[in-house]
Amino acid sequence: GEDVEQSLFLSVREGDSSVINCTYTDSSSTYLYWYKQEPGAGLQLLTYIFSNMDMKQDQRLTVLLNKKDKHLSLRIADTQTGDSAIYFCAEAETGRRALTFGSGTRLQVQP
Amino acid sequence: EADIYQTPRYLVIGTGKKITLECSQTMGHDKMYWYQQDPGMELHLIHYSYGVNSTEKGDLSSESTVSRIRTEHFPLTLESARPSHTSQYLCASSGGQETYEQYFGPGTRLTVT
Repeated sequence: GEDVEQSLFLSVREGDSSVINCTYTDSSSTYLYWYKQEPGAGLQLLTYIFSNMDMKQDQRLTVLLNKKDKHLSLRIADTQTGDSAIYFCAEAETGRRALTFGSGTRLQVQP
Repeated sequence: EADIYQTPRYLVIGTGKKITLECSQTMGHDKMYWYQQDPGMELHLIHYSYGVNSTEKGDLSSESTVSRIRTEHFPLTLESARPSHTSQYLCASSGGQETYEQYFGPGTRLTVT
């Protein structure tokens, strides 16, 4: 079945770049997503990338997709304390009922 | 900004009580979902709906039930709450015909004592 995996924890210093990684197994994935969850809140959609793209940039966020290795990454430039949260990657496949989420990566930004 | 609402945000209730968690969206989305999020952060799909009068169980078995009588409303009910139901419940909706992204409500933190 489908599986999406992420490392559990990442700690960076304020001002550094953060790179959060995700691997998936389903080669039929059409779209891949990054969500952010702050404490006590729901998930906020940050960005998504279509599977025929290699890269997408949106302000401080850069998404890289290596379809051959089924590897997705989210780079946050100039990381701020407000970026501290849990980040989820998710994949969608045409015709499936729902997204498949990874287990989340907790990003801690130290001042 | 997605317009999807959940009430209550926090609920503490005794064992055996019946509860209903409300979820509403004003975006006209046809697809709606309920997830249970455990303390280890992972999301588990427990119910979904593709439209009015359509409901299906998700990947994680749940004693809760749902209904979809109106497009905008997708309530979740527990007939008899137990401590094992203590969790965060997240509602989401999706209307994209091509991109499938889901928009989430703020969640309900349920504690059953």
